[in-house]
Amino acid sequence: QVHLQESGPGLVKPSETLSLTCTVSGASFTNYYWSWIRQPAGKGLEWIGRVFYTGITHYNPSLKSRVTMSMDTSKNQVSLKLTSVSAADTAVYYCARTPPIPGVVATLLDSWGQGALVTVSS
Amino acid sequence: EIVLTQSPGTLSLSPGERATLSCRASQSVRSSYLAWYQQKPGQAPRLLMYGASSRATGIPDRFGGSGSGTEFTLTINRLEPEDFAVYFCQQYGDSPGTFGGGTRVEI
Repeated sequence: QVHLQESGPGLVKPSETLSLTCTVSGASFTNYYWSWIRQPAGKGLEWIGRVFYTGITHYNPSLKSRVTMSMDTSKNQVSLKLTSVSAADTAVYYCARTPPIPGVVATLLDSWGQGALVTVSS
Repeated sequence: EIVLTQSPGTLSLSPGERATLSCRASQSVRSSYLAWYQQKPGQAPRLLMYGASSRATGIPDRFGGSGSGTEFTLTINRLEPEDFAVYFCQQYGDSPGTFGGGTRVEI
């Protein structure tokens, strides 16, 4: 059974870079894409992007200029970096597993981590 | 991007009743790549349905999904106390994947 665990600073200052790590266990790390999603308190869900172990990434155009995702296959970890943050980036950040669908930049999320709250404040 | 609109915003029902949740897309969803997620307070969303009508692993058969094109429905038969939660639809066939605003099913 796959298990995902997000970790990283819970408080980030405005204009700085948000960095989170997702550690994956119990799943074939290289057979899936790994996605990040965020949810501001009391609001809906926003897909941030996905990454494959080969380095292939797909990002939400709304965040593309500020987002970088990568994977460390030796540690079964996926990382998210979001630059130039503001209060609007305050949210719970989730990592999730995304099964590949040939020919489609698919974003189905079949297993989720518990989430990490990140607050942007000085 | 595809905009998903869920209705109603809140559904007030009693245990044992049937819940019918709607998800409407601003354009046709490719190959019915439409998913439903359940989220309880303080928890991550959980995948319920994918491909509009296929149940995810471990999801009881009182949950059913239907629809195609731009109109999709999640039906929960015989509501159990643990079913009271927020439900989100998501289209996952076109990037970026987008979510509806959610329907809260409350007692």
